[in-house]
Amino acid sequence: NAGVMQNPRHLVRRRGQEARLRCSPMKGHSHVYWYRQLPEEGLKFMVYLQKENIIDESGMPKERFSAEFPKEGPSILRIQQVVRGDSAAYFCASSLAESSYNEQFFGPGTRLTVL
Amino acid sequence: DQQVKQNSPSLSVQEGRISILNCDYTNSMFDYFLWYKKYPAEGPTFLISISSIKDKNEDGRFTVFLNKSAKHLSLHIVPSQPGDSAVYFCAASGRRTSGSRLTFGEGTQLTVNP
Repeated sequence: NAGVMQNPRHLVRRRGQEARLRCSPMKGHSHVYWYRQLPEEGLKFMVYLQKENIIDESGMPKERFSAEFPKEGPSILRIQQVVRGDSAAYFCASSLAESSYNEQFFGPGTRLTVL
Repeated sequence: DQQVKQNSPSLSVQEGRISILNCDYTNSMFDYFLWYKKYPAEGPTFLISISSIKDKNEDGRFTVFLNKSAKHLSLHIVPSQPGDSAVYFCAASGRRTSGSRLTFGEGTQLTVNP
């Protein structure tokens, strides 16, 4: 009865390195969402994916950030050439169907620290 | 452009009393609202939701009220318990405009004192 899994839970990177964050949705869920929480702020939507498709990436920064949800395996949020401002908690959520009337279930988050 | 606002960063309540957390929104196209609870170092946990066709939804100690004309919703917790101490986020979505994405407020830190 596993919920949404995210790894790693904590990730430390130096400026200019790449960060890869993984998310495995709840069993049976095929919709994945990524949110970012900066210190002292609420969660901000980044991207919504279904298997092999990006449905809405309007919250993603235009450069350095990308996301995928392959047919097999977890969803990946990739941040290239990280900067200090990327330090945040990144949360993944999944839902059973398109989520306008279904709640999204969140993972524990990955806390990214950029030195 | 903060479309969902929680104006109280913190709220302190005595155990056994009622906790009322408030949330305002500006986008009239939002038609589904949710409350999440979050403990430190954990992800948000879904609590309760309400669609815009209703004005009240109740689940145990938790009740959410929606006032569409005022673009305001509130979460009532009664009786409050020390384990309810957490950050509470209000979130909204709109099928016709923002699709599946959730727009969150900034959160309210609730402290329930024994």
